[in-house]
Amino acid sequence: QQQVRQSPQSLTVWEGETAILNCSYENSAFDYFPWYQQFPGEGPALLISILSVSDKKEDGRFTIFFNKREKKLSLHIADSQPGDSATYFCAASASSGSWQLIFGSGTQLTVMP
Amino acid sequence: NAGVIQTPRHKVTGKGQEATLWCEPISGHSAVFWYRQTIVQGLEFLTYFRNQAPIDDSGMPKERFSAQMPNQSHSTLKIQSTQPQDSAVYLCASSSPGQGPETLYFGSGTRLTVL
Repeated sequence: QQQVRQSPQSLTVWEGETAILNCSYENSAFDYFPWYQQFPGEGPALLISILSVSDKKEDGRFTIFFNKREKKLSLHIADSQPGDSATYFCAASASSGSWQLIFGSGTQLTVMP
Repeated sequence: NAGVIQTPRHKVTGKGQEATLWCEPISGHSAVFWYRQTIVQGLEFLTYFRNQAPIDDSGMPKERFSAQMPNQSHSTLKIQSTQPQDSAVYLCASSSPGQGPETLYFGSGTRLTVL
């Protein structure tokens, strides 16, 4: 059972556009949602994260929008650059339970120059 | 800080052979995690150590897979009698547990190919 779902599986945008990556989850106990960025040949690296007490988190061009009622969140990448081309993983964990991060299946983003 | 170091970067084994993968966590990090990444299954949790003690191995296949952390500076993942379906990128991550959510720092992975 996929506890964290991501869409789309792949996304192509032009340089300068805003890329929107979607994520949804099933477990109401999840309260921490990091997004990891992975380039080919490398391991994932933390990009930005949000706690469920917030509905928005910004870090430069990257913004997470969080809707607790609908159990959905999205990552917006403004002014996309070719260097943003990577796979993005949404993850979730519950502070009330074990540490374990549950990862989504990822969105492969391509930014065309 | 060299980050999490995984060796080898690539390993090719024949069906039925043994494979041992190595991980050196970031110095001072007390938690080590192993994940397996494939196109089909994505990132799958395998096992987790904290202060060298095994905490959660719920993701480990019950047969042929084992993991150890004999000291603070390295962990190993051993796969006995490797099968083609074991082919994947095996990722190690470490973290420094605190009061809040943990940030996992991943290595670059070991790509295992079983022929």
